[in-house]
Amino acid sequence: GQQVMQIPQYQHVQEGEDFTTYCNSSTTLSNIQWYKQRPGGHPVFLIQLVKSGEVKKQKRLTFQFGEAKKNSSLHITATQTTDVGTYFCAGPSYNTDKLIFGTGTRLQVFP
Amino acid sequence: SQTIHQWPATLVQPVGSPLSLECTVEGTSNPNLYWYRQAAGRGLQLLFYSVGIGQISSEVPQNLSASRPQDRQFILSSKKLLLSDSGFYLCAWSPGTSRPKNNEQFFGPGTRLTVL
Repeated sequence: GQQVMQIPQYQHVQEGEDFTTYCNSSTTLSNIQWYKQRPGGHPVFLIQLVKSGEVKKQKRLTFQFGEAKKNSSLHITATQTTDVGTYFCAGPSYNTDKLIFGTGTRLQVFP
Repeated sequence: SQTIHQWPATLVQPVGSPLSLECTVEGTSNPNLYWYRQAAGRGLQLLFYSVGIGQISSEVPQNLSASRPQDRQFILSSKKLLLSDSGFYLCAWSPGTSRPKNNEQFFGPGTRLTVL
């Protein structure tokens, strides 16, 4: 079945360092979404990418959708303690109203 | 604006007891509704989703059931809880398919269920 994998599973960084998580789908996606879940909280929608090769920025966060629309990345520049949480990518399941969520990357930032 | 409510926030139940978790959405009509479960430190497992009243799709055979008695109400139930039912239960909504395709999901605050 359709799968979405993320690497790494965990990442510990020193505050100020950069961070990147990678998302890979077993199938081509019509769009890719990113969510952030703070510790103890619920996932919150961050952004959606639709076009092949699309790049979007939100302050220190840069999101990229691969040319083949099967992979994506989230890059955080100069991490802060407020970036702590688990980042999930998600893509729509073919011909249904479901999202297939990635396995998630848990980010820990040490001050 | 749209709001999604879940209750209770925390629940401790004995094995074998029944369960009913409720989720309601305000500020939108005909949403798609979803129930997820998340084990501690793990990813999101889709349990059920619904595209309309009375329409339920089950993703994983298990001890749980879902119902959608009203357009903006989604209920997760169990007749007899198991230890393995413990987890963080999240309800989510997305715009229905009658709208332009825009399928981001918005999550409720969740219910932490501990089965003892």
